[in-house]
Amino acid sequence: NSKVIQTPRYLVKGQGQKAKMRCIPEKGHPVVFWYQQNKNNEFKFLINFQNQEVLQQIDMTEKRFSAECPSNSPCSLEIQSSEAGDSALYLCASSLHTEVFFGKGTRLTVV
Amino acid sequence: GDSVTQTEGLVTLTKGLPVMLNCTYQTTYSPFLFWYVQHLNEAPKLLLKSSTDNKRTEHQGFYATLHKSSSSFHLQKSSVQLSDSALYFCALRVSNYNVLYFGSGTKLTVEP
Repeated sequence: NSKVIQTPRYLVKGQGQKAKMRCIPEKGHPVVFWYQQNKNNEFKFLINFQNQEVLQQIDMTEKRFSAECPSNSPCSLEIQSSEAGDSALYLCASSLHTEVFFGKGTRLTVV
Repeated sequence: GDSVTQTEGLVTLTKGLPVMLNCTYQTTYSPFLFWYVQHLNEAPKLLLKSSTDNKRTEHQGFYATLHKSSSSFHLQKSSVQLSDSALYFCALRVSNYNVLYFGSGTKLTVEP
């Protein structure tokens, strides 16, 4: 079973609202990822961290999302102003070495 | 840039038949290749991994061999079961800190 814990499992927001989701990575894993999986099941990388520092992020994340991985607290990803196109499964993952382990995701529906 | 290609979007098979799901990749670095399986409403789970050229890796009846000469890491199973129905993703990583790049996925449906 996955040791990456994501909350909530489901999230419904209106357009323009903030949408925040959280992730507890597997213990001891310094690298954390967020991916968006769309209705066609395609993965889009959003951002990754090593400990508290951002390693890489795409343009969309930098402009519209707020993300952090504070020490001793869950990581979080927040959409500042939700759009219909943000409806997707948001997957958090963590890694110690090259293997990456995923949580079950937060399914966001923007109405 | 780094990328992964899966050519089959949908594969439907009868139980007991063999399957091969194709995966090719592009990178100029030394690759780590993975297969993930994702059942409905579940987390993607790591199924296989490899970074060693021409060495077969196996898990839960599935197997794959990384061939750097052809940039391929095809997933195979000799006899599929109903429980194998799921999404299968091939993925590439080039270091402990880099992004994991995914292929577009293959939906495998196994019929009785």
